[in-house]
Amino acid sequence: DAKTTQPPSMDCAEGRAANLPCNHSTISGNEYVYWYRQIHSQGPQYIIHGLKNNETNEMASLIITEDRKSSTLILPHATLRDTAVYYCIVRVAMNNNDMRFGAGTRLTVKP
Amino acid sequence: NAGVTQTPKFRVLKTGQSMTLLCAQDMNHEYMYWYRQDPGMGLRLIHYSVGEGTTAKGEVPDGYNVSRLKKQNFLLGLESAAPSQTSVYFCASSSHTGGGNQPQHFGDGTRLSIL
Repeated sequence: DAKTTQPPSMDCAEGRAANLPCNHSTISGNEYVYWYRQIHSQGPQYIIHGLKNNETNEMASLIITEDRKSSTLILPHATLRDTAVYYCIVRVAMNNNDMRFGAGTRLTVKP
Repeated sequence: NAGVTQTPKFRVLKTGQSMTLLCAQDMNHEYMYWYRQDPGMGLRLIHYSVGEGTTAKGEVPDGYNVSRLKKQNFLLGLESAAPSQTSVYFCASSSHTGGGNQPQHFGDGTRLSIL
């Protein structure tokens, strides 16, 4: 069962904000939202995670709706190096064996 | 700061051969994982370990065995390789602190082809 739904692809102009949506309408109260990205064929890179509050770090911001049924990853100033596949994952904190990577969103940053 | 290191990076095997993939982490993480990624697909969990001496099955464990004899190492074995096991294999590790919500850190993968 897919826990998240993401658009298969998105484009973004270099220097602009990239807003990547994720739908997780069946999320449980104890499930966190995680975002990873995979650049070309490298190993996935952790970006950010949150439970219900919005989060920000040096890479991105995570906005979670009040009902927690969807979230948006924001890359504030996208660069060409941000071109990657972005994965939105929900899981219970203690269930480390439950990282379900779907197909993700392929973000292409264009000059 | 090496993080998660996978050995080898590339390997070509013949059907029926055996081999072991090595994963080493220097972050003193308790949890370690092995995933496979087939073309155009997301990662799928093969086996994982929550501590030294313990292992458990993931989503796609058939045809693989694992061992965690030392905290920093997690080995993935293929006893009799099959063409269906051609894939990119990723190892990851994570800490158990913070109630278990810590992110996983991944290696750069091992590209395995079985002819």
